[in-house]
Amino acid sequence: DAKTTQPPSMDCAEGRAANLPCNHSTISGNEYVYWYRQIHSQGPQYIIHGLKNNETNEMASLIITEDRKSSTLILPHATLRDTAVYYCIVRVEGNTPLVFGKGTRLSVIA
Amino acid sequence: DAGVIQSPRHEVTEMGQEVTLRCKPISGHNSLFWYRQTMMRGLELLIYFNNNVPIDDSGMPEDRFSAKMPNASFSTLKIQPSEPRDSAVYFCASSRTTTNEKLFFGSGTQLSVL
Repeated sequence: DAKTTQPPSMDCAEGRAANLPCNHSTISGNEYVYWYRQIHSQGPQYIIHGLKNNETNEMASLIITEDRKSSTLILPHATLRDTAVYYCIVRVEGNTPLVFGKGTRLSVIA
Repeated sequence: DAGVIQSPRHEVTEMGQEVTLRCKPISGHNSLFWYRQTMMRGLELLIYFNNNVPIDDSGMPEDRFSAKMPNASFSTLKIQPSEPRDSAVYFCASSRTTTNEKLFFGSGTQLSVL
């Protein structure tokens, strides 16, 4: 079973920041937060991951609360091409594979 | 880098027929994963390999499903006999190791069993 809770869907205006929340209240100390996305008809794509510090890369920023029970993925300037299902996953960085939940369907609107 | 290559892209078959899905992982990647995606159940992990050895096949639905990885550059997922409920998109993914956070997915095989 997925250990995260995400809203099923969200809308965002093109050019605005998209903030996707994720609750993981039972996260363990050695579990990382991963974000992947799946654009229609494609395989999932890695976005970013983190343990407890905020992370940023060329695609997005990841903000993790101090108690690590929730996080937010931020797409700073959403475009139509960011329309996808976004998956938040918690996982021990070790010999454990990714388990996907239902994710959030983000629709970027022109 | 060509990425993870899956074939065929689409497969339509009749119930009872054998189906073989193929995957070529990214060169240098040591871990390979097979996932299945349906509307009802989402993305499910079926099996994964590390250095060509199956590590966990607990997600394989039943004995009709089998997977092999004869070498580092090729894997197959076979369904025999196929049933309509096997209709789904099957994804193959690879990573440098099972501990690596970045999985690279193929484009998937859309399987329809009539």
